Amino acid sequence: DGGITQSPKYLFRKEGQNVTLSCEQNLNHDAMYWYRQDPGQGLRLIYYSQIVNDFQKGDIAEGYSVSREKKESFPLTVTSAQKNPTAFYLCASSLQGSTDTQYFGPGTRLTVL
Amino acid sequence: QKEVEQDPGPLSVPEGAIVSLNCTYSNSAFQYFMWYRQYSRKGPELLMYTYSSGNKEDGRFTAQVDKSSKYISLFIRDSQPSDSATYLCAGGSTLGRLYFGRGTQLTVWP
Repeated sequence: DGGITQSPKYLFRKEGQNVTLSCEQNLNHDAMYWYRQDPGQGLRLIYYSQIVNDFQKGDIAEGYSVSREKKESFPLTVTSAQKNPTAFYLCASSLQGSTDTQYFGPGTRLTVL
Repeated sequence: QKEVEQDPGPLSVPEGAIVSLNCTYSNSAFQYFMWYRQYSRKGPELLMYTYSSGNKEDGRFTAQVDKSSKYISLFIRDSQPSDSATYLCAGGSTLGRLYFGRGTQLTVWP
């Protein structure tokens, strides 16, 4: 059963802690993306990667970091430098780039306590 | 100016109504346009994909792109309560990423 999985579904973090959100896809897609969604804000791009071992900053990369060591995995770390991390985080993948449909995972809701 | 502008609504219509959702974009290089539907607390799912200008129809859904006015539309005929969701428009060129609108929240009441 192909698709994108994100874990955990809910995540709670204390202030000052780094947390890592998992994103895995078995669609054999080259490109992967991380978005943040806040109420009324739509999707804002954090980072994206078009090939393994390469990634680019999106519009709101400050306070986040990513790695792309394997084609199927694109973890996102929310660092303590991110001042307002409480949000819904969505991972997506596409076959190659922006011309291809992006398929989204179910999302991770991060709450800072 | 944002790359893609979308009125967030909310929009509330009775069952059976025709719904019109609209976006504008500013980047003339955009050639690919998508509409996604997102149910509450779920990931978005692709509804329509169009290339360049023109119409595309899929069941009760019709997507229109007018590149001359940089206008994107989604029409839903015979709307159903199950259509209640947030609808996101997006545009992109060949340069590696999509730009999304803020999303329009739609409620279809029985």
